[in-house]
Amino acid sequence: GESVGLHLPTLSVQEGDNSIINCAYSNSASDYFIWYKQESGKGPQFIIDIRSNMDKRQGQRVTVLLNKTVKHLSLQIAATQPGDSAVYFCAEFLEETSGSRLTFGEGTQLTVNP
Amino acid sequence: DAGITQSPRHKVTETGTPVTLRCHQTENHRYMYWYRQDPGHGLRLIHYSYGVKDTDKGEVSDGYSVSRSKTEDFLLTLESATSSQTSVYFCAIGQQGWEQYFGPGTRLTVT
Repeated sequence: GESVGLHLPTLSVQEGDNSIINCAYSNSASDYFIWYKQESGKGPQFIIDIRSNMDKRQGQRVTVLLNKTVKHLSLQIAATQPGDSAVYFCAEFLEETSGSRLTFGEGTQLTVNP
Repeated sequence: DAGITQSPRHKVTETGTPVTLRCHQTENHRYMYWYRQDPGHGLRLIHYSYGVKDTDKGEVSDGYSVSRSKTEDFLLTLESATSSQTSVYFCAIGQQGWEQYFGPGTRLTVT
């Protein structure tokens, strides 16, 4: 079936470096793609979204890139800080007449080393 | 957590007992959702609501029911809890379907 997944389950970076978290998706009909951050013991936190007709969107220290040709989504975090350590989920949103759906990937654990 | 509370935050119950989890929001958002999160499965949608008394099933709705009698409250009920329903349950709210804000979660253990 349709799925959203992640290339790597874990990513370890040095503080101050840039981080890139990748995601592959399979449903080309999805309307939005979203990144969530989940810290230990907390609920997922919305980071940034991108509409399917866009290639790039920037937020505060984060950039999301969407490559529809290869069905690839990435989250770039600039100057990674210890507070960025968390699990990052990509999700895809599809709106259909039968109802809308947000489908989450498995998540990537980002560890920031001091 | 964007004006969302969940209660209880932790619960241990026995197999076969009914359980109700409550989600309360102060944001007046239209949409409310219940997810469960399990290792190896990520977040999976159980049920969602698109308005008062308007609900629909998600990916893993078997064994669960929901009710939304007012905008701010969304209840998730396990009519007869089973060990397979041991999980962390998250409520989420949103004005648009793709931008969802999650509560702190409820850890449910069914023994």
